[in-house]
Amino acid sequence: EVQLVESGGGLVQPGGSLRLSCAASGFTFSNYWMHWVRQAPGKGLVWISRINSDGTGTSYADSVKGRFTISRDNARNTLYLQMNSLRVEDTAVYYCFCLEAPAGEDWGQGTLVTVSS
Amino acid sequence: DIQMTQSPSAMSASVGDRVTITCRASQGINNYLVWFQQKPGKVPKRLISDASSLQSGVPSRFSGSGSGTEFTLTISSLQPEDFATYYCLQHKSYPWTFGQGTKVEIK
Repeated sequence: EVQLVESGGGLVQPGGSLRLSCAASGFTFSNYWMHWVRQAPGKGLVWISRINSDGTGTSYADSVKGRFTISRDNARNTLYLQMNSLRVEDTAVYYCFCLEAPAGEDWGQGTLVTVSS
Repeated sequence: DIQMTQSPSAMSASVGDRVTITCRASQGINNYLVWFQQKPGKVPKRLISDASSLQSGVPSRFSGSGSGTEFTLTISSLQPEDFATYYCLQHKSYPWTFGQGTKVEIK
């Protein structure tokens, strides 16, 4: 069974940094592209970043480009999202997501990031 | 960037109703479209991939159709557990984009 477990969320002041992790198990992590998606409170889903299977290719939404960095450690089966220069509008639940994983096992449970002074 | 326009944004329906939700892409995306269902406080659940492929375990009252720029999600007979918010996602090109969501409420 595929499992994706996020961690690293919390309360941070505007301008601060946070690193999210997504620990993967139950599948050959190194074979799959991975994504981060976020959802602000009461709002819709927003795709923010992707990384290819070996970590050499990345893409970002304009809203986070230059501030967030996606990376992965295939030896540790872990996906990361380094978030710098955080803004109030980055407050959201952050999910890791794998489109190729079986439905029902394709999302983590999410981790809440709150940016507030 | 490809914009996904989902309609309606909200609707009220009764148990047993036929419900249709539409997503329009600002440019052609072939069939690179996924439909998700999300209930409050829960993780999104994938219902349909490749515009029309029902995921394992998803009831057959859900169906998807379309290709190119116009797509529909149909619930043939709405059940109490179907009251939720539905999202489409295009994965034809980056940045991937979701529709803004359709909240299906009880009439």
